Parts: sequence; structure tokens; C-alpha cells
Amino acid sequence: QVQLQESGPGLVKPSETLSLTCTVSGGSISSYYWSWIRQPPGKGLEWIGYIYYIGNTNYNPSLKGRVTISVDTSKNHFSLNLSSVTAADTAVYYCARVSGYYDSSGFTRGLDYWGQGTLVTVSS
Amino acid sequence: DIQLTQSPSFLSASVGDRVTITCRASQGISSYLAWYQQKPGKAPKLLIYAASTLQSGVPSRFSGSGSGTEFTLTISSLQPEDFATYYCQQLNSYLLFGQGTKVEIK
Repeated sequence: QVQLQESGPGLVKPSETLSLTCTVSGGSISSYYWSWIRQPPGKGLEWIGYIYYIGNTNYNPSLKGRVTISVDTSKNHFSLNLSSVTAADTAVYYCARVSGYYDSSGFTRGLDYWGQGTLVTVSS
Repeated sequence: DIQLTQSPSFLSASVGDRVTITCRASQGISSYLAWYQQKPGKAPKLLIYAASTLQSGVPSRFSGSGSGTEFTLTISSLQPEDFATYYCQQLNSYLLFGQGTKVEIK
């Protein structure tokens, strides 16, 4: 059974960089796309971006310029960096696996395995 | 960018009711759409992908339909454990979500 676990600081100061890691266990990070999603308190889901295990990335245009997602296949984990954070970046951050594959126009399946989520608060 | 609009945003229903949630895309996305269920304090759970394919282990009372710009999630007979928030998500290059539909007990 694939499991995902987010880790990182729960408190980040404004203007600094938020850094989180998602460790995958029970399966290989290879051959899949992996994604970050966040949810501000009391609000809906926001897709942040995804990475393929060989390093190809795609990001939400609303966050472009501040987001970097990277992967380390030797450690079976992938990471999120979000720079210049403000209070609006306070949210529960989830990592997830994109199941299926990318065909000519999109992904054949959805996000099938998710981490439990980690709350990151941006405050001085 | 393609936007997804769910309706209604809030729905009050009783156990046993048939419930339908709609997701409209601002441009055609073929069948590249998924549906999720989220309960408070929990990660979302994949219910349906490719617009109408039931994820393994999901009860058959859930069904999805549609293609292009209009999609629906139907719960044929609402059960107590189905009271939750439901999200649609496009599965093309940008995996954007709809704003959610909260299903509450009437």
C-alpha cells in the first residue's frame, strides 16, 4: 500500500520560503507524476503543481514564479519550495500521486493516493 | 486557463435522496475530469476519473457522466457517510479544482 507523508516547518515567517518534503513509502516514485495541493482554512482545494519522476514540472499559473517542485528518486521523495510567502499562503498542504499516465491531452486518472496533510502557518 | 464552476455550492439533502452535482468547464476538456469527496480534517478521496469511471472500492451509488464542458456527479441514494464536500478537477495540463459543493443533512 502506497503511503505519502508530508514533512517540514509548521510556521514560516512572511517573505521567507516555505519548504516541504513528501516521502513516498510502499512503492517507487518512478514512473508516476506527483503533485502538491493546498487548502486554506475553511476554503477549497488549490492545485499547486506537479512533477514527473524524471523532473518535468508544471505549475499553477497563479503561483508561477514563486513555486519550485523537485524530486529525489534515490530518497523516494519530492519537495515543494514556495518563495516570498504571505499570510495568504497559510494552508494545509497535501502531496498526492497522479495515477495513470499522461496521454496526448491529459491524465487518464486522478490523484489516487494522498498524504494526511500538514498545516503551514505564515506569521511573524 | 480553463475554469471549473460547480453548482450548487451548498446542498441540503436527506438520507435516501438522489443528489446531483454539476461541474461546468469554461472550455471543452473531453473526459479529462475527476471527482473527489472530502470529509472535515481528512485528505480528499478519489471517487471517479475519466468523467465516468468509478475508482476501485467506491460504492456503486456514485456515478459520473458528461464530456466536453458539462459534467455531473450523482449519488443515487444518499447515505449518512456521504455528507461531505465534493470537488471536481480537470485532468488536462493544469489540474485545477472546482470550488466545491458541500452536502449537508436536511
